[in-house]
Amino acid sequence: AQSVAQPEDQVNVAEGNPLTVKCTYSVSGNPYLFWYVQYPNRGLQFLLKYITGDNLVKGSYGFEAEFNKSQTSFHLKKPSALVSDSALYFCAVRDQGGYQKVTFGTGTKLQVIP
Amino acid sequence: DGGITQSPKYLFRKEGQNVTLSCEQNLNHDAMYWYRQDPGQGLRLIYYSQIVNDFQKGDIAEGYSVSREKKESFPLTVTSAQKNPTAFYLCASSIGSDPFYEQYFGPGTRLTVT
Repeated sequence: AQSVAQPEDQVNVAEGNPLTVKCTYSVSGNPYLFWYVQYPNRGLQFLLKYITGDNLVKGSYGFEAEFNKSQTSFHLKKPSALVSDSALYFCAVRDQGGYQKVTFGTGTKLQVIP
Repeated sequence: DGGITQSPKYLFRKEGQNVTLSCEQNLNHDAMYWYRQDPGQGLRLIYYSQIVNDFQKGDIAEGYSVSREKKESFPLTVTSAQKNPTAFYLCASSIGSDPFYEQYFGPGTRLTVT
């Protein structure tokens, strides 16, 4: 079975400071990993994904994530937070073995304080 | 404008009534998905379809039904058998069903059953 954990329900960061939203995963094989963002009462928007290759993945809006196989982590990062980054962030995993279902984490609310 | 549309945005029903949620995409995507989102639980997969005239149950299919008669459309019916139907429902699509494809989400329908 595959699973994903987002250990923090909420992350608070001051505007201009770097931000990190944590994600750890468990799959039987190799993972495909995704980050999505959700603004209030809206659908999810795709930010970035890891398929293979370079462990540092760059995505939309200045976000990046680092795949760490030994720690089974895929933390989302941004060098300088904006107030407009405040939203709900979801990590998701799919097993490369071909099982079609994607498993989402429970989400982390990011609050950027002006 | 390409994307996924869901209608209506808000839906109110009396207990015991069936209700159908609309999902249409003009992205020419083969795969479509329905998720349910409840606070603190992330997204849970209800049904998915890899191709027209084919669909599979997800993790929480009981009390729901779908059809996929056209590539663009994947309506979800919430039946009276669903014990706790009040939730935020999200439709998504992806280019194909391979696990490395990201999903594109509609704006969601908030269903309230009283």
